[in-house]
Amino acid sequence: EPEVTQTPSHQVTQMGQEVILRCVPISNHLYFYWYRQILGQKVEFLVSFYNNEISEKSEIFDDQFSVERPDGSNFTLKIRSTKLEDSAMYFCASASESTDTQYFGPGTRLTVL
Amino acid sequence: KNQVEQSPQSLIILEGKNCTLQCNYTVSPFSNLRWYKQDTGRGPVSLTIMTFSENTKSNGRYTATLDADTKQSSLHITASQLSDSASYICVVSDAYGNNRLAFGKGNQVVVIP
Repeated sequence: EPEVTQTPSHQVTQMGQEVILRCVPISNHLYFYWYRQILGQKVEFLVSFYNNEISEKSEIFDDQFSVERPDGSNFTLKIRSTKLEDSAMYFCASASESTDTQYFGPGTRLTVL
Repeated sequence: KNQVEQSPQSLIILEGKNCTLQCNYTVSPFSNLRWYKQDTGRGPVSLTIMTFSENTKSNGRYTATLDADTKQSSLHITASQLSDSASYICVVSDAYGNNRLAFGKGNQVVVIP
């Protein structure tokens, strides 16, 4: 069964450093999403992406964040200058239609020191 | 602001017993409601998705109900198994599009032998 994959599974970085989190969505999906979940808290929407552009973003997704689909398979989330409060689990999700089920990846645990 | 509230926050049940989880939402206009299962350290996995016109939907031992008039949903787990130990998250989408999902904090279920 096709699934969303994410790399790395864990990322440790120093405050102020740039990180890139990678996702490979399900191959025939067209809608892509990033979410984050701070330890012990609920999942929060960051951004949605369709047709090579951002469809919607939350207030969390400020100028430090960017997304890109550099080729036909990868979908990346970049944090330019990480802060301590960026430490969280980051989930990528994809869907075939905007109203369809979103399939989540296993997540990348980001720790900012 | 769209809100999704779940109760109880956590519960412990004996293997083989049934339990019911509750979700109340204020999302408007409503599009659909989903229940996800999230194992510790993993991404959410979709269990059910219901639109306005659907009152109930089953997925194996999981049965979700929806009352769009009172804006309430429940997830019933029948004959619980140890593998049902997880967080169950209620997620609601508004009718402006499925780009943004409102997540509840989850019901933490622990099944004990």
